[in-house]
Amino acid sequence: EIGMTQSPATLSVSPGERATLSCRASQSVSSNLAWYQHKPGQAPRLLIYGASTRATGIPARFSGSGSGTEFTLTISSLQSEDFAVYYCQQYNNWPRTFGQGTKVEIK
Amino acid sequence: QVQLMQSGSELKKPGASVKVSCEASGYTFTDYGMNWVRQAPGQGLEWMGWINTNTGNPTYGQGFTGRIVFSLDTSVSTAYLQISSLKAEDTAVYYCARKKLGDWYFDLWGRGTLVTVSS
Repeated sequence: EIGMTQSPATLSVSPGERATLSCRASQSVSSNLAWYQHKPGQAPRLLIYGASTRATGIPARFSGSGSGTEFTLTISSLQSEDFAVYYCQQYNNWPRTFGQGTKVEIK
Repeated sequence: QVQLMQSGSELKKPGASVKVSCEASGYTFTDYGMNWVRQAPGQGLEWMGWINTNTGNPTYGQGFTGRIVFSLDTSVSTAYLQISSLKAEDTAVYYCARKKLGDWYFDLWGRGTLVTVSS
């Protein structure tokens, strides 16, 4: 099973600032990585797939990069609606695995 | 409207069974596979497996065999998750999430169903 490690666990950011979230895989997952946003009581939302492709309707302030074992999700200028938990997920190997999440909170 | 509508919260006693439903609307049900994802209290997301909505063939993730059954009723565009012999550690929110056949990211999720197992 591929382990996915996200850092930091919590990120405190002021509105308008940039947020950089990291995800590391225990072995290469090529570019088969997705990012999701999850707010309490809501359905998780797909942000990025293929490591860097924005899903339909996702604002351009969200960007993904990386391949192999190191990945980054960047939110260029945090809006109030972006405070949430973010998960990475690999879909290169079985079983599909998620990171433990990064909570982005208001500073 | 494209959405996945899940059934409501359940409170069950240890040893009982539960069946969670996930009704799809706004798209062709059989164009997408359906996954199930668990989130235990205070924990992250854990993929349980998926079911091919064309063939009905389920695939169960590691640690999710034996007491878990995925099923379908394509006539009402609904996927089901059944858990038998419930234990306290089955207490979690269970999400359904669709994926395109041929792709493996989850582009639409339900809002989750809380299953609480307590005597």
